[in-house]
This record gives sequence, structure tokens and C-alpha cells, in this order.
Amino acid sequence: EAGVTQFPSHSVIEKGQTVTLRCDPISGHDNLYWYRRVMGKEIKFLLHFVKESKQDESGMPNNRFLAERTGGTYSTLKVQPAELEDSGVYFCASSRGGGDTQYFGPGTRLTVL
Amino acid sequence: GDSVTQMEGPVTLSEEAFLTINCTYTATGYPSLFWYVQYPGEGLQLLLKATKADDKGSNKGFEATYRKETTSFHLEKGSVQVSDSAVYFCALSVESGANNLFFGTGTRLTVIP
Repeated sequence: EAGVTQFPSHSVIEKGQTVTLRCDPISGHDNLYWYRRVMGKEIKFLLHFVKESKQDESGMPNNRFLAERTGGTYSTLKVQPAELEDSGVYFCASSRGGGDTQYFGPGTRLTVL
Repeated sequence: GDSVTQMEGPVTLSEEAFLTINCTYTATGYPSLFWYVQYPGEGLQLLLKATKADDKGSNKGFEATYRKETTSFHLEKGSVQVSDSAVYFCALSVESGANNLFFGTGTRLTVIP
């Protein structure tokens, strides 16, 4: 069974540009989560999808971040326009049920210059 | 609010040394507690978990006991190996399962031969 995959693994962009991160969850997992780790700090929850619906987006920092999950399969996280403080590692996780173990992807390292 | 405080790193140990990584938490209700590990170049992996007070989670020689009286979930291993070198994250979920996870800042462990 393939694990959670994320693309790209690294992205370097300039302030003001747009970046889109992608996450492919484990097949059959209805629950998909996005988290972010800013350098040296804790990993913070961003949002939670159940299938294509946003269950909880309380962790989204501001309206420059837009997450979608087309058809309840893969998810994208767009940052537009990117700011310096958006730099960090963005993790995606998925689980079969809401109370099940979350399986994490390797993360996307975003650097905003 | 809900949070996790984790021992600052980095930690460097010689092979076969005893490991303790401290973790304390603040939570409403009755949280579940987790240790995740991130090996170089990989995603977060669940190492062990405990869902109620006095439970002991264990895996790969690592152990942690859910101590409600001290609000702690310290990670221990009696004899570390070079292959244990990784970043360790303590986390909690305030639901009975793993929904919205709250993480600590992570502790980098390096084991030298």
C-alpha cells in the first residue's frame, strides 16, 4: 500500500509569488490533514478534510492560504501571495476514520525569499 | 489551551546509552498521547501511543507511560542504537482518537557509535 505522498519536496519562491502544494493521501482514507512546522517550532495543525468537505480549518493562518480537495481524493494547498513567514515544512497526513492513526507524508519544504 | 511542552534538543548519546526525552502536556478533557518519529528524509511515523491514564505505549524498545498526575508522557529507551537517530515529537489529541494533533517542538537525537 502506497503511503502519503507530497509534491514538491522542496520549493523556493520569492515573496509575492504563488505556490501550490499537493498531497495524495493513502487510497481509501477519507480524512486528510495539513500541518505546518515553522523553523524550530512545533508542528501546527492547519486544517482537516473529510472527503471533499472542510471539517475544521481553524488553524489556517489567514486568507492567503486556500486548501481544496477535489473529489475527495488529493488535496492542494495554495499560498497566494507568499510572505517570508510562510517558510517552513508543510506536512500532509491521512487517516481512514477521524479517530484513526494519522499517516504522514514526507513534507514539502517551502522557502520564501 | 491544549499544548505540549517537549525537552529541548539536540540530544547526543553514545550507542547503548539510556534515553529519556521529557514531554508534559496541558489539555482539556482526556487527551490521547503520542510519540512520532521522523527519520532523515522521511515523513512522521507513529512510534507509540497511549489513550488513557497509566497506559504504557511501547514499540521498538521505546516506552512511554501516560501519567495524569504529572501530566507527562516521557519517552524512554534502555539502549539506543545509531539507527535511532531522528527527530522525536510528542503530541496529543483531545478526542478519544487522533483528530486534531497538537505537537511539541521536536527533539533531535543523534546516536554516535
